[in-house]
Amino acid sequence: SQQGEEDPQALSIQEGENATMNCSYKTSINNLQWYRQNSGRGLVHLILIRSNEREKHSGRLRVTLDTSKKSSSLLITASRAADTASYFCATRHSNSGYALNFGKGTSLLVTP
Amino acid sequence: DAGITQSPRHKVTETGTPVTLRCHQTENHRYMYWYRQDPGHGLRLIHYSYGVKDTDKGEVSDGYSVSRSKTEDFLLTLESATSSQTSVYFCAISETLSYEQYFGPGTRLTVT
Repeated sequence: SQQGEEDPQALSIQEGENATMNCSYKTSINNLQWYRQNSGRGLVHLILIRSNEREKHSGRLRVTLDTSKKSSSLLITASRAADTASYFCATRHSNSGYALNFGKGTSLLVTP
Repeated sequence: DAGITQSPRHKVTETGTPVTLRCHQTENHRYMYWYRQDPGHGLRLIHYSYGVKDTDKGEVSDGYSVSRSKTEDFLLTLESATSSQTSVYFCAISETLSYEQYFGPGTRLTVT
């Protein structure tokens, strides 16, 4: 499988703290995307980073990509209770033709 | 939310019965996808469509068929439902293959 794998599977922090999630993958990619899923809802696209980019920011989100290590990280700064959700990385591989491959996700709990 | 609706939102059916799930979009996006989400597996692609009457198989297509007769509608059919098809089904759309996907709210299907 070309699925990315998120680490950790679960993360619990307090409001105001930073949350870092990691994603590793196995084969070369065109881009890597992060999605959020609130309980009982569909996934929401957060950010896309291309294979030739190393870092990208969007509001309180910071994504890094290290293609030599085949890994990415998502940092959420100054977390809020509303950030409680599952976070998925999705990779589009150079030889996949059509598919976005989703990992199993990191479950983030932010407590007040 | 992007203009994507799924119907029904919840369904309970018996083994061996046919089931059709509908995805409807108002965004005029070319690509549409059906995923299933199961604990421990993340999201897995069932089928996708790259245009009217143009569809292709995903990672877990056995037991499923799809049809797309109009840009806005993408139907997923379980010809003879089995208990292993109990899952949450998500429809997604995208303008291009490479970039962000927008997800519908999901359909929770239980096969008894």
